[in-house]
Amino acid sequence: QVQLVQSGAEVKRPGASVKVSCTASAYTYGVSWVRQAPGQGLEWMAWINIYTGNTHLAHQFQGRVTVTTAYMELRNLRSDDTAVYFCARDRFYGSGSPFDYWGQGTLVTVSS
Amino acid sequence: QSMLTQPPSASGTPGQRVTIACSGSSSNIGSNPVHWYKQVPGAAPKLLIYSNNQRPSGVPDRFSGSKSGTSASLAISGLQSEDEADYHCAAWDDSLNWVFGGGTKLTVL
Repeated sequence: QVQLVQSGAEVKRPGASVKVSCTASAYTYGVSWVRQAPGQGLEWMAWINIYTGNTHLAHQFQGRVTVTTAYMELRNLRSDDTAVYFCARDRFYGSGSPFDYWGQGTLVTVSS
Repeated sequence: QSMLTQPPSASGTPGQRVTIACSGSSSNIGSNPVHWYKQVPGAAPKLLIYSNNQRPSGVPDRFSGSKSGTSASLAISGLQSEDEADYHCAAWDDSLNWVFGGGTKLTVL
């Protein structure tokens, strides 16, 4: 059974940065980061090709997010960044591949 | 921020068939496959249907998906209490972005 294991919950002040790690027992092609604010739907943030390190960021996160094969970093945190952050594995090669396995989620709380 | 539109809620009684709709545009559902995820509160989403109508192994055939034009739907037949969850649709958008629906909370009465 494939597992993606993420780092633990974080509490940060506005303006700070947070790193959330994700380790998979098996990779296919790429890993995406998806977040979910309290009571809200899912929002895609970024994707990384785990073999080449190439990344692709959602427009609204460009300049504020860094993704590596080991973690996702979100900078200049705001209160509306409070959310559960998930990593998720591509099922197969190609854009539009669904996510077949997800990490357990990491709650990031931004509060002064 | 959702670019796909889902009803916020749906309900049914055990044994019934329910459907959940997902509406998009020509740049996402209209030109790319649709995927569905099931999410129990407090847990991570789980892939339920991919590429419009494919079930991963282990997903019962009570679950089915379809797509027509810029809309898709998820159907659950023989509704069971364990089907109570949030259901999310997703599609790749040609603007190089994943888009999700806002999620539909399914209640089994």
